[in-house]
Amino acid sequence: NAGVTQTPKFQVLKTGQSMTLQCAQDMNHEYMSWYRQDPGMGLRLIHYSVGAGITDQGEVPNGYNVSRSTTEDFPLRLLSAAPSQTSVYFCASTSLAAGELFFGEGSRLTVL
Amino acid sequence: AQKITQTQPGMFVQEKEAVTLDCTYDTSDPSYGLFWYKQPSSGEMIFLIYQGSYDQQNATEGRYSLNFQKARKSANLVISASQLGDSAMYFCAMRERAGGYNKLIFGAGTRLAVHP
Repeated sequence: NAGVTQTPKFQVLKTGQSMTLQCAQDMNHEYMSWYRQDPGMGLRLIHYSVGAGITDQGEVPNGYNVSRSTTEDFPLRLLSAAPSQTSVYFCASTSLAAGELFFGEGSRLTVL
Repeated sequence: AQKITQTQPGMFVQEKEAVTLDCTYDTSDPSYGLFWYKQPSSGEMIFLIYQGSYDQQNATEGRYSLNFQKARKSANLVISASQLGDSAMYFCAMRERAGGYNKLIFGAGTRLAVHP
């Protein structure tokens, strides 16, 4: 019962470094998304995808890139990390037939 | 403008009592869905309950019920018989058809503390 798997769970970066947060789901969900969670602001949508080869921007896309080469995977890339990107990141997926979002366990990123 | 508003940053309730967590929303889309998620201190997001805009009855799931007042655009979560394990952050979220039907917009959350 893997569901949505995110790696790594914790990461510390220096300003300007790049990294990729991995997300994989085994439920054959068409829709995948990335959110960031900051204190007092709930979860905000970064990018989302409705299928392989299709991605789109959410509320806060600046500084992040995504791609969707397979149904299962939806990595989030930070090309040049900034302290403002210190946050907890959640990957989530669901089927396009509607239903609740299934979340990964979250990845805590600190940018120094 | 805020699409989802949770006006209670923090709430506390006595164990075994009922508690209502407020959520108001703003949309002009006639087709939308409302969700509540629980986030315990361990950090994972746990789906609790869903209400569709066309649902005639209020949604219920065990001790959770959603008090859906469409005209007031409110979707309050009611937890009956609170337990210590209910202490967590609670998020209200909305999905609109026009916005891309699977995108959820979240409120800022309410932190609930259940006291023995």
